[in-house]
Amino acid sequence: QVQLQESGPGLVKPSQTLSLTCTVSGGSISSGSYYWSWIRQPAGKGLEWIGRIYTSGSTNYNPSLKSRVTISVDTSKNQFSLKLSSVTAADTAVYYCAREPDMDVWGKGTTVTVSS
Amino acid sequence: QSALTQPRSVSGSPGQSVTISCTGTSSDVGGYNYVSWYQQHPGKAPKLMIYDVSKRPSGVPDRFSGSKSGNTASLTISGLQAEDEADYYCCSYAGSYIFYVFGTGTKVTVL
Repeated sequence: QVQLQESGPGLVKPSQTLSLTCTVSGGSISSGSYYWSWIRQPAGKGLEWIGRIYTSGSTNYNPSLKSRVTISVDTSKNQFSLKLSSVTAADTAVYYCAREPDMDVWGKGTTVTVSS
Repeated sequence: QSALTQPRSVSGSPGQSVTISCTGTSSDVGGYNYVSWYQQHPGKAPKLMIYDVSKRPSGVPDRFSGSKSGNTASLTISGLQAEDEADYYCCSYAGSYIFYVFGTGTKVTVL
């Protein structure tokens, strides 16, 4: 059974780059026709799709974040990563990784706070 | 791209049925049969309950059902149980520029 686990700093300073990694266990990130996604949720608010990557390296991003987002994959480590640049307080949220299509498998989420 | 519109809250007594609506546009809900629903308990990750408008993943009780008419999708919970109390979010594919848009979320309360 595939499981996902997010990891990364819980505190990022304004204007810096947020970096998170999602580790896939219980299966190969390269098997099957899956995309691997990032979604975030500010405290008390709704979900926002950030973007996704296919194991070939092909990416798609939310247009509202596209200029600041980079998603990459490391198949040798069974991981994919998120980088969000020039962060502000508005980027404070719980960040989830998930498997597409359908977002049928989710990580537990990791809280990232943007503050000086 | 605006979020899909859901009622802020719905409630029902145990055993009753509740329906949550998810209203979008012809560019998302109405344009594709790719609507999914997620259940989220406080402090937990979302859980997939319905995908492709009306399909249920293995392990999801058949009390949960989905449908769509025009630009509005719906999630119905029949035979409401205490453990169904949670937030529910819809999500729709919105084409190869926007990709995915989520709903505003609905809190289901079991009275």
